[in-house]
Amino acid sequence: DGGITQSPKYLFRKEGQNVTLSCEQNLNHDAMYWYRQDPGQGLRLIYYSQIVNDFQKGDIAEGYSVSREKKESFPLTVTSAQKHPTAFYLCASSIQGQAYEQYFGPGTRLTVT
Amino acid sequence: AQKITQTQPGMFVQEKEAVTLDCTYDTSDQSYGLFWYKQPSSGEMIFLIYQGSYDEQNATEGRYSLNFQKARKSANLVISASQLGDSAMYFCAMRVYSSASKIIFGSGTRLSIRP
Repeated sequence: DGGITQSPKYLFRKEGQNVTLSCEQNLNHDAMYWYRQDPGQGLRLIYYSQIVNDFQKGDIAEGYSVSREKKESFPLTVTSAQKHPTAFYLCASSIQGQAYEQYFGPGTRLTVT
Repeated sequence: AQKITQTQPGMFVQEKEAVTLDCTYDTSDQSYGLFWYKQPSSGEMIFLIYQGSYDEQNATEGRYSLNFQKARKSANLVISASQLGDSAMYFCAMRVYSSASKIIFGSGTRLSIRP
């Protein structure tokens, strides 16, 4: 079955700590994305990647870093500089082009303790 | 600048009634795509329907249809014969040709279906 997996489902982070969220897809999609969703809010784009070894900042990239060493993988690191409280992180992928929808993973809920 | 606006933060609808969720968009691009997603309480995002800017017919997918009014820049989602399982957050989104890798989302509408 093709799809997107994210791990872990729940993650706890202490202030000042770096944590990495995993995102893997086997859909052979070129483009991958990371979004943050605050409680009761919409999705805000953190980073996106159109191709391996290339990525662009989204609207709220500060305090986050990504890598795209493989087509299938797009991990997101939440660094100690990121002060944002608990949020839901969604990874997505898609075929390039305006007509194609994004496929989403199940999400990771990150809690700051 | 591209923008999606959803003005209804929450809606309550009686089961089996039809419901319309509003979405307006702003872009100077002539070529773009519009999407609707459903997010149940479990958190996953489920793609519902797509409308291209050059499509002359309104898109339909089962009980979902998209009321596309290009001149008014609106792309409202219509759900016919609502069911209890339709209770969820609904997001309108847009992808433009000039920035085909980015999808912009609205703030969402929380739909609650009453039995």
